[in-house]
Amino acid sequence: QVQLQESGPGLVKPSETLSLTCTVSGGSISSYYWSWIRQSPGKGLQWVGYVYYSGRTNYNPSLKSRVTISADTSKNQFSLKLSSVTAADTAVYYCARALPSFYDYWGQGTLVTVSS
Amino acid sequence: SYDLTQPPSASVSPGQTASITCSGDKLGDKYASWYQQKPGQSPILVIYQDTKRPSGIPERFSGSNSGNTATLTISGTQGMDEAVYYCQAWDSSTENVVFGGGTKLTVL
Repeated sequence: QVQLQESGPGLVKPSETLSLTCTVSGGSISSYYWSWIRQSPGKGLQWVGYVYYSGRTNYNPSLKSRVTISADTSKNQFSLKLSSVTAADTAVYYCARALPSFYDYWGQGTLVTVSS
Repeated sequence: SYDLTQPPSASVSPGQTASITCSGDKLGDKYASWYQQKPGQSPILVIYQDTKRPSGIPERFSGSNSGNTATLTISGTQGMDEAVYYCQAWDSSTENVVFGGGTKLTVL
């Protein structure tokens, strides 16, 4: 059974960079697509982007200028960096496995609040 | 940008059939998936590639996708099916992903 676990700071200051890591257990990241999806409080789901284990990436056009997603196959982890954050980036961030047209395994999510 | 539109809410009586729609330009040309999310929980995949049901998802969940509309149907709806349902589409040409705004299903 594949399991995903997000980790990282729960509080980030405005204009700084949000950094999260997703650790995958029960399977290797050396296949499939690995994604970040976020959900603002009380709102819907927003796709942030994905990384293929080879390092190929694709990002939501609305976030593309600020997002970097990378994979570390040696640690079986992938990471998200979102720069120049504002209060609008406050959300629960989920990591998930993509097939790639759908998401079959999700992490529990981690709340990141942007505030000074 | 590509948008998916869902009704904000829907209601159904226990034992009846619930249908939730998701509309987008030429959505039938893309793969549609559906997720169930209960309060405080991560989304769960209930339908993928338009009509397929993951293992462990009850047979009462089914899906279709044609033209501009994908539909999630829940037959014999139970109280445990009360949740927010999100549709999701994947554009194979751009490999971009988009989610609908979600439909809150109430089982009265």
